Amino acid sequence: ILNVEQSPQSLHVQEGDSTNFTCSFPSSNFYALHWYRWETAKSPEALFVMTLNGDEKKKGRISATLNTKEGYSYLYIKGSQPEDSATYLCAFSGYSTLTFGKGTMLLVSP
Amino acid sequence: EAQVTQNPRYLITVTGKKLTVTCSQNMNHEYMSWYRQDPGLGLRQIYYSMNVEVTDKGDVPEGYKVSRKEKRNFPLILESPSPNQTSLYFCASSLFGRGLTYSNQPQHFGDGTRLSIL
Repeated sequence: ILNVEQSPQSLHVQEGDSTNFTCSFPSSNFYALHWYRWETAKSPEALFVMTLNGDEKKKGRISATLNTKEGYSYLYIKGSQPEDSATYLCAFSGYSTLTFGKGTMLLVSP
Repeated sequence: EAQVTQNPRYLITVTGKKLTVTCSQNMNHEYMSWYRQDPGLGLRQIYYSMNVEVTDKGDVPEGYKVSRKEKRNFPLILESPSPNQTSLYFCASSLFGRGLTYSNQPQHFGDGTRLSIL
């Protein structure tokens, strides 16, 4: 079973703070790295899928970068808002399987 | 509306009583997958299917069966449920992506099924 690590495990920030999380994954047999946002009592929703080393993706105030050679990805949230409170999951994708990290739980206080 | 539908949403049952959790998607996706979510362990892949009549084991397949007789449906079967299968289950689907791989397509998740096995 592949090892996909996310840090920190949880994070509590104030509204307006910028924050970032890390996802570490194996650098071999890499096909793609996924990021999902999972709100309480809902289902995970895709944020980004990245495949190329050096990829950067952005959606509103959220962005992500990818380094496949060293096996890590960063997710950034600029100017956090209370509605950003959720668990952020990354997933390492092989050809046909997906291995998720345990997630980073973000709480943004007003 | 494009969606993945799981049923039931909640189920409490007893050890040994066979049960099936249904999953259906209306997006014509080739790839479908089942995951379980347990506290402290994250989402773990149980089984996946790359197309009709093609299924394969994920990381935690023991105690589960699946079938893919039609493209839209991917039921999860627990032949003899045990308490260690108490969990939150998610079905997901995705397209067949560029470069002949499923890996670069986002997963679309159902709303989840909470199973409690006593």
